[in-house]
Amino acid sequence: GENVEQHPSTLSVQEGDSAVIKCTYSDSASNYFPWYKQELGKGPQLIIDIRSNVGEKKDQRIAVTLNKTAKHFSLHITETQPEDSAVYFCAASTASNDYKLSFGAGTTVTVRA
Amino acid sequence: DSGVTQTPKHLITATGQRVTLRCSPRSGDLSVYWYQQSLDQGLQFLIQYYNGEERAKGNILERFSAQQFPDLHSELNLSSLELGDSALYFCASSVSLGSTGELFFGEGSRLTVL
Repeated sequence: GENVEQHPSTLSVQEGDSAVIKCTYSDSASNYFPWYKQELGKGPQLIIDIRSNVGEKKDQRIAVTLNKTAKHFSLHITETQPEDSAVYFCAASTASNDYKLSFGAGTTVTVRA
Repeated sequence: DSGVTQTPKHLITATGQRVTLRCSPRSGDLSVYWYQQSLDQGLQFLIQYYNGEERAKGNILERFSAQQFPDLHSELNLSSLELGDSALYFCASSVSLGSTGELFFGEGSRLTVL
């Protein structure tokens, strides 16, 4: 099945700096790559997603890039703010796996004021 | 508020016991997914139901079972509980069969097995 690896496991950044989280996946047939944000005591919430026919997608301060050849995708958060502190999960989905999402282990992001 | 409701929020029980976790999906969503999140672990997919039928199985133990009822709510049954079953259990729902659209997660049920 699909195996998604996520790095780093923890990330501390100064407010206003950028944060980058990277994920790799194993199944070359994967075609959908969402990112979820989990705040303390809450369930994960979708923040951005990208499909395999697109290389980059932006939504305000967050962006995701996808490199299908290398089988990796990344989340970029610019101008970080304290409310960006959370656990971020990447995931991958493939038709061959009945579109089940395989999640990475998560990255705990702490934005220092 | 995602629109997905999970009960109970917290549950403490002893080894060997059985518990039932309940999930009400968002109105109109036909797919329900169950995930397990252990300490410092990612989200492990357990099982998916679509419109009352089991659709996909992940790493779900034989001691665990689930069902989705005609009103689309779902229950996850955990039996012969072990210490290692202590975790956050999330339910998620989506309108479609596949998960290539947004999954809406509940706030989770935190199970502690003593």
